[in-house]
Amino acid sequence: DAKTTQPTSMDCAEGRAANLPCNHSTISGNEYVYWYRQIHSQGPQYIIHGLKNNETNEMASLIITEDRKSSTLILPHATLRDTAVYYCIVNQRGGSNYKLTFGKGTLLTVNP
Amino acid sequence: DTGVSQDPRHKITKRGQNVTFRCDPISEHNRLYWYRQTLGQGPEFLTYFQNEAQLEKSRLLSDRFSAERPKGSFSTLEIQRTEQGDSAMYLCASSYVRGNTGELFFGEGSRLTVL
Repeated sequence: DAKTTQPTSMDCAEGRAANLPCNHSTISGNEYVYWYRQIHSQGPQYIIHGLKNNETNEMASLIITEDRKSSTLILPHATLRDTAVYYCIVNQRGGSNYKLTFGKGTLLTVNP
Repeated sequence: DTGVSQDPRHKITKRGQNVTFRCDPISEHNRLYWYRQTLGQGPEFLTYFQNEAQLEKSRLLSDRFSAERPKGSFSTLEIQRTEQGDSAMYLCASSYVRGNTGELFFGEGSRLTVL
């Protein structure tokens, strides 16, 4: 699986958009970008995934650059409950490779 | 709640004792995963099952660790002769293979402290 690079930590003001970057320069053509988050003392929670098009769901938006070497997770209106570690993971979808490889992620702190 | 459930949530044991964790996946999910997470690190893959078959084991899973999923439903993870280095959060996740997005659903974990 391709490796990802994320900032260790970020801060965001409550109500503002949180933009979390991720670099995955060695991503291959059949690998998807997944985002999970982990709130303190809980298990990771799936947020969104994409291949090459931008994606949006009720939780977040995912913007993937045209060359697919980086992506940004956007939380449009961050709340205090969005304080968590956010993991960017590159993985093949389907087949036998559903094993996710987590890095250390980005600790997002939403401040009042 | 029909999510992934894990039991116990917390376990404190003395070095050398055996411990067992249980995971009940989402009922229609045929894949089940175990991960381990130490402080400040992301979860690390240990093993996974498709139905009752254990298809992959990480090198992190030493011979003191054994996982089973006897009827393709719940799973157990046993650690024999625990060591202080086994102290961690043990996370279980499940997923459904066909037509799935690749999303894993995680439980809240079982925290092990070895004294």
